[in-house]
This record gives sequence, structure tokens and C-alpha cells, in this order.
Amino acid sequence: SQQGEEDPQALSIQEGENATMNCSYKTSINNLQWYRQNSGRGLVHLILIRSNEREKHSGRLRVTLDTSKKSSSLLITASRAADTASYFCATDAGANAGKSTFGDGTTLTVKP
Amino acid sequence: DAGVTQSPTHLIKTRGQQVTLRCSPKSGHDTVSWYQQALGQGPQFIFQYYEEEERQRGNFPDRFSGHQFPNYSSELNVNALLLGDSALYLCASSIPPNEQFFGPGTRLTVL
Repeated sequence: SQQGEEDPQALSIQEGENATMNCSYKTSINNLQWYRQNSGRGLVHLILIRSNEREKHSGRLRVTLDTSKKSSSLLITASRAADTASYFCATDAGANAGKSTFGDGTTLTVKP
Repeated sequence: DAGVTQSPTHLIKTRGQQVTLRCSPKSGHDTVSWYQQALGQGPQFIFQYYEEEERQRGNFPDRFSGHQFPNYSSELNVNALLLGDSALYLCASSIPPNEQFFGPGTRLTVL
């Protein structure tokens, strides 16, 4: 069953704009991770945020986690054409460390 | 340091055949997980190996089996292939509970 669900399914913006993607999940988690995937290839790990953390930054990426609402957001600032990809959130829950449950992703298109 | 590697890159099989996919984890990682990703969907967890034992399993039939070797590398075997098994198969390695590192995947097409 799907744990994480990304919203929106697709997002199209101009270069330089910010992109925000959201993820909702159903059960308590140990951590939540965001990944990027280009053209059906392997997943690139972006950020891991643990359940006791509220916000993390990495370069142009900012991830927030609200465990009371069971939701997370990924913000990409000053987007570039190279950011065009699919973005997935994945959750690890309970005793299942390393068993990640993915949503179906947000497809981001950044137009030059 | 090489990351996670997978072989082969692409594979074409016919229904009823068997297939073996291979994965070498990132150096120092002892846990390997396998995922199936159908077109347009997110990856789905197949199973996870640690210390040469299957530690966790997702909702996949027994046709899907695996193995982990003493050097932590792993194989995924699928028997009696169905058309619906066509997908990208991803291997990930980790030292739980830290982040997983994914390989480039093996694209399996079943005709």
C-alpha cells in the first residue's frame, strides 16, 4: 500500500522560480527521505529528515516535516533546467529500518 | 569509491523464463534492498538482505527470490516471468537506519 503521496503529480515552472512539492503519509515514521530520478534511471538521494527534526537544508533544497499533519515539503529555490526530474518521498516506519515506502512522485519540468 | 552497481543494464526475456539480476553494494554497506518500479509509479519494496538472510519482504510472490553473498553483493531471481514483471529493478544499499544509496537499475522487458 502507498504510504507517501506526492502533490502535485506534475509541476512546470520557469528557470529561476521556486518549486514546492508536498508529501503526505499515513502512519508514524522513523524518517522521511526525498529522492530525485532522471528519465527512469536510478534514484539520487537528496535529504533524509528524522521524525524528531522539523527542517533541513542542503544547498538550494529545503525540507520540512510536520509529524502532527503527517506531511513533508521539498522546496527547490532558484530552479535550473537541470532540476527537471521526478521527485519522490519515501518513508521508513516502525521496525522496518531500510524498508522504504515510496509515493508515485512529482514530475518537475523547469523551462529555460 | 564506486557506488552501487547493477548488472545487466537491460534485459529482454519471454514469458515463463527465469532471470537473475545482480547488485554490488556501496563499499562498507552490509544491507541490500531490492525494489521494483513500474512505468510511471514509485518503487515498490521487494525484499531486504542482511548477513546473507532475507530480513524483510514486501508483498511479492514466491517467484521472487534472492540471495546475499559473504561480500554483501546480492542477486534477485524471478521465475516464471509474467508480462507484468516488466519494470525497472533497483538495488539499494545502506547501513540502517541511514539513507539508502540506489544503483542505476536493470530494465527488464518481458515479451
